[in-house]
Amino acid sequence: NAGVTQTPKFQVLKTGQSMTLQCAQDMNHNSMYWYRQDPGMGLRLIYYSASEGTTDKGEVPNGYNVSRLNKREFSLRLESAAPSQTSVYFCASSISFRANYGYTFGSGTRLTVV
Amino acid sequence: AQKVTQAQTEISVVEKEDVTLDCVYETRDTTYYLFWYKQPPSGELVFLIRRNSFDEQNEISGRYSWNFQKSTSSFNFTITASQVVDSAVYFCALSEAVRNYGGSQGNLIFGKGTKLSVKP
Repeated sequence: NAGVTQTPKFQVLKTGQSMTLQCAQDMNHNSMYWYRQDPGMGLRLIYYSASEGTTDKGEVPNGYNVSRLNKREFSLRLESAAPSQTSVYFCASSISFRANYGYTFGSGTRLTVV
Repeated sequence: AQKVTQAQTEISVVEKEDVTLDCVYETRDTTYYLFWYKQPPSGELVFLIRRNSFDEQNEISGRYSWNFQKSTSSFNFTITASQVVDSAVYFCALSEAVRNYGGSQGNLIFGKGTKLSVKP
């Protein structure tokens, strides 16, 4: 029962480098999400995918891109990392786009951009 | 627009004290859902409870209880006889009924969290 799996768990990048955060869920959920968590800011939605083949911007999409590779996988890409993107990133999934049943979260990726 | 406010940034109590974490929400929808999540020091987010807008009955689960009051738009969380293991950040969250694809409507909106420290 893996649930939502995120890789890597930790990453240090230099400013300007690129990287992709991977997320996979094995619960046959239709919708997937990427959040970032910063001190005092709670969790803020970056991008989401309501269903396979669709993606949409959330509250803080600038500097990120996403790919819904298939129903299981939803990746987040930083093309040119900036120190402001230092954060903890959480991937989540839900049965449907209606968030009525809440989300299942991955364990997070702690990213530091120096 | 929907909004969740957790006015208490940090709370510190001594073990066995009762503690209440406040959550006030804003929404224009009549159908919505409220949640509480726990984030222990290990960092993962743990689902605690889900409540829909039509069910104002209070809920109790062991030492945890939740008080939902639509009249004051609040969904407060009480821990009775707190324990050191309750130390965590607690998030309240809100989702509205989905009307349209696109935008953030229907997504889970989080408060900024309350950090609870329970000292032995």
